[in-house]
Amino acid sequence: IAGITQAPTSQILAAGRRMTLRCTQDMRHNAMYWYRQDLGLGLRLIHYSNTAGTTGKGEVPDGYSVSRANTDDFPLTLASAVPSQTSVYFCASSMSGPRDTQYFGPGTRLTVL
Amino acid sequence: DQQVKQNSPSLSVQEGRISILNCDYTNSMFDYFLWYKKYPAEGPTFLISISSIKDKNEDGRFTVFLNKSAKHLSLHIVPSQPGDSAVYFCAARGDPSGNTPLVFGKGTRLSVIA
Repeated sequence: IAGITQAPTSQILAAGRRMTLRCTQDMRHNAMYWYRQDLGLGLRLIHYSNTAGTTGKGEVPDGYSVSRANTDDFPLTLASAVPSQTSVYFCASSMSGPRDTQYFGPGTRLTVL
Repeated sequence: DQQVKQNSPSLSVQEGRISILNCDYTNSMFDYFLWYKKYPAEGPTFLISISSIKDKNEDGRFTVFLNKSAKHLSLHIVPSQPGDSAVYFCAARGDPSGNTPLVFGKGTRLSVIA
């Protein structure tokens, strides 16, 4: 693989269920990010990680959690999904941190019913 | 409060003409600006950037202009092509420590009409 992969591509989920969106990069980038894209609201940062072992909260972190056990993986977990979390989720990475160009994955379309 | 604003949700331009996408920002600490392009069902891709020490950066058909006094930047596409139809996001960075993530605008949907 080359770049960033996300799984699943799309998912329909019942409210209250737990869901983990997966993100893997093979570029050995230090920083990784999770965004959600909603119509009229653009890209909003959920959580980020500047390096393995550290995470930070973005603009809309409530209802989401992340972990960064290693450089390559940055999973996003919805502990108890709600309909307002219906969105398209993008994972991104950058070489050394936020000051570098970000490379985005193809996205996961999540629908919470 | 939105720090990066793209006030035009959409723009339609005739093929061959110039497309001008605008972006305003409020934080004078921002020192680097980027434009990303997004096609439907794909992730955003980096297009062009500009440092605050410059007022213009050009890459082929794409030129970004920065007016620091007005806290305004614009992306010019000349000539516009149907393949340029996409959503364009303006983004800014400026935390002196370098640890604060990019701030994105809400995007402008460009439609280039053949």
